[in-house]
Amino acid sequence: EAGVTQFPSHSVIEKGQTVTLRCDPISGHDNLYWYRRVMGKEIKFLLHFVKESKQDESGMPNNRFLAERTGGTYSTLKVQPAELEDSGVYFCASSQDPRVGKNIQYFGAGTRLSVL
Amino acid sequence: AQTVTQSQPEMSVQEAETVTLSCTYDTSESDYYLFWYKQPPSRQMILVIRQEAYKQQNATENRFSVNFQKAAKSFSLKISDSQLGDAAMYFCAYRRRSGTYKYIFGTGTRLKVLA
Repeated sequence: EAGVTQFPSHSVIEKGQTVTLRCDPISGHDNLYWYRRVMGKEIKFLLHFVKESKQDESGMPNNRFLAERTGGTYSTLKVQPAELEDSGVYFCASSQDPRVGKNIQYFGAGTRLSVL
Repeated sequence: AQTVTQSQPEMSVQEAETVTLSCTYDTSESDYYLFWYKQPPSRQMILVIRQEAYKQQNATENRFSVNFQKAAKSFSLKISDSQLGDAAMYFCAYRRRSGTYKYIFGTGTRLKVLA
């Protein structure tokens, strides 16, 4: 079974440009999460999708970030326009229903974004 | 608000020896989950071990075990018989049992295993 896949693995852009990150969750996982780790700091939650609906977007830093999950399958996270402080590693995770007991989140390898 | 603290940015252990990674957390909740995840360089983050707060018994998974002290809000990870493949970034995480399903992570501990 394929795990959570993210691409690109690394993106280098200039300040002011647009970047789109993609995440393909594990097949059958309705729940999809985005997180971000800025250099040396903790991994911070950005948002949570249940199918195509945003369940919790309390961690989105500002309106330059747009997350979508059309059709409830893969998700994209667009940053427009990118700023220097957006640099970091963006992780995607997916899970089955988190209300059910022992389920866990499965993570991708992350996309390293460098804004110059 | 809940917080997770990992006070050791980096640790080293000799192959075959035992190492303990520290994690403390702060919450007013009584029921929650705690996790240790491992991320090898440029690879996926994978679950090492999970603890449910209502269970007093410490979780174990082969060479990995935790020391869960609920009153002290401490959740340390012990790795026994360390192997070269254990070298990775280790993250401690907290999740409420219900209401919101986001993980709250610590800053991570980089573990080096010396041959």
